[in-house]
Amino acid sequence: SYELTQPPSVSVFPGQAASINCSGDKLGDKYACWYQQKPGQSPVLVIYQDTKRPSGIPERFSGSNSGNTATLTISETQAMDEADYYCQTWDTNTVPFGGGTKLTVL
Amino acid sequence: QLQLQESGPGLVKPSETLSLTCTVSGGAISSDSYYWDWIRQPPGKGLEWIGSIYYSGNTYYNTSLKSRITISVDTSKNQFSLKLNSVTAADTAVYYCARLRGGDDDWHFDLWGRGTLVTVSS
Repeated sequence: SYELTQPPSVSVFPGQAASINCSGDKLGDKYACWYQQKPGQSPVLVIYQDTKRPSGIPERFSGSNSGNTATLTISETQAMDEADYYCQTWDTNTVPFGGGTKLTVL
Repeated sequence: QLQLQESGPGLVKPSETLSLTCTVSGGAISSDSYYWDWIRQPPGKGLEWIGSIYYSGNTYYNTSLKSRITISVDTSKNQFSLKLNSVTAADTAVYYCARLRGGDDDWHFDLWGRGTLVTVSS
């Protein structure tokens, strides 16, 4: 089965940029997406098709995907961005998730 | 506005079968380009994809759970369902239903239910 790996945690100061990586074998040959999940809430899609933002997602959220790594970047991070973030892709009729990264805004 | 709502028992005994239903409202489950999925999240842990179903009944399952799960669809009721048999405490989780949207190898969940906690305990 296809595996995606994320760092367990990332910390950032308010106003700074935060980057969360997601690695998988030749992940750049697939599409990646990202979800934000706040405590007690359902996940929310923030990036799909590597770089696209759904309607209503702030412009400070962006994504990239190349080689073996997809990256979610939050520019000018705000306190409200503190959450768990999960990457996800599609591989041979399965839908793997990364293990999740807890973003802490210091 | 399309919404998803999970329903089912919140407590299941070990070795028994977990049964959940997701009701789709505000739109038809019989839509092209969408699959209808189950995802779970054990307390304090990450997301785990369980499986997908198309309105025609075509299914895809997580290989680690395949021997224990059945996902079905009832288009007349605009519902899809999950059955997980021989449950253990490790199956305790919040279970979400979600809509899988995409094509051309880009598949993502654009709509989620609120989730329902299922506890496996005697």
